[in-house]
Order: sequence, then C-alpha cells, then structure tokens
Amino acid sequence: DIQMTQSPSSLSASVGDRVTITCRASQGISNYLAWFQQKPGKAPKSLIYAASSLQSGVPSKFSGSGSGTDFTLTISSLQPEDFATYYCQQYNSYPYSFGQGTKLEIK
Amino acid sequence: EVQLVESGGGLVQPGRSLRLSCTASGFTFGDYAMSWFRQAPGKGLEWVGFIRSKAYGGTTEYAASVKGRFTISRDDSKSIAYLQMNSLKTEDTAVYYCTRDPAGTDYWGQGTLVTVSS
Repeated sequence: DIQMTQSPSSLSASVGDRVTITCRASQGISNYLAWFQQKPGKAPKSLIYAASSLQSGVPSKFSGSGSGTDFTLTISSLQPEDFATYYCQQYNSYPYSFGQGTKLEIK
Repeated sequence: EVQLVESGGGLVQPGRSLRLSCTASGFTFGDYAMSWFRQAPGKGLEWVGFIRSKAYGGTTEYAASVKGRFTISRDDSKSIAYLQMNSLKTEDTAVYYCTRDPAGTDYWGQGTLVTVSS
C-alpha cells in the first residue's frame, strides 16, 4: 500500500500570507494526486486533481505542483475562509490513501 | 448543479447491518464512477471503496478494513449508489461520504453519520 505523509501537521499563518503544504508518497504515483479542504463539521471540498489542475470553481490562489513522490499545495494571499484542514490523497492505485492532514490556523 | 445526498445512517448494534444510499442529481449518473469515504470522529479521511461505471464493467474495489463485509452497488435507473454494510464493528463508527469520481474525486455529499454501539 502507498503511504502518504503530509507536512507540517499544523501551521499558523496570518491573513495575507502565502503558505505551502508538502505531501510525499512512499512510492511513485505519477500525477495521481488530489488536494481537499475541510472545515469543521463540513464535508471535504475538492481543490486540485492530477497534482496541479484546479477543480471547477476553485480560485487561482490555490495551486499544486509535483510528480512522482513529492507534491506541494500553495495557497496565496490567505483569507479568513482559507483556514481549514487540508488533505492530500493518492489515487494511483488501490487502496486510495490520504495524508494525515494539515491544520491551517490563524496566527 | 451536481448534488449528492447520502441517507440511511443511524445507530446500529455491533454485528448488525445497515445500508446507505447516495442519491445523485445534476449529471448523468451512469457515466461516472462513484466512491465512498468515511471519517471517524476527530480523525482523518479514509477511502472505503469504489464502483466503476457500467461502461467499465461496474466492478468494485474495497479497502482491506471493509473487504468481505461491505458491498457497493449502483442503480443507474434511479441515480443511486449504495453501501451495504454487514457485520458492523464499533470501529466502523464514522461519517460516511459518497463522491463522484471522474478522475479523482470532484464532488462530495454532505455525509451521513453511522454509529455502531451497543
């Protein structure tokens, strides 16, 4: 099975900051990597698929990059609504697997 | 507008069964693969399983933790995906989400809570 490791597990930032979250796969997954945002008590929201493609309706302040084993999610110009938990997920092979999540908090 | 609505959750005793439904609207359901995910209280996301569209055989894949106990099926005429859960365990307690999976997940339902407890 493929293990996904996110870092950091938590992150404090200020409104207006730019942040980067990293996700590493235990083996190569090509670009079969997605990013999700989840707010407390809500369903996850899909942000990015195929490592760098934005889902419909997702603002361009979110960007993804990477291929193989190393991936990043970058969020620019943080706004209050961006503070949430972010998850990466590989869908290269079954079982699909998630990173443990990164909680982005307001500093 | 794409909508996915889960239903069927609730409190169930260990060892019993429960069937969840995911009713889809706003797209041609039969053209898409569908997945189920879950999230235990205070924990991260876990993939449960997946069903391909009929064009790809309608076959299924499951996480090891549920294989042999859970079954995913679909009724394209009703635009509904099902998750049949048998031999439930306390560790199956979670919010269950269905998703649409064209190439990775794009849309999520709001989730339905399943609590397994005596």
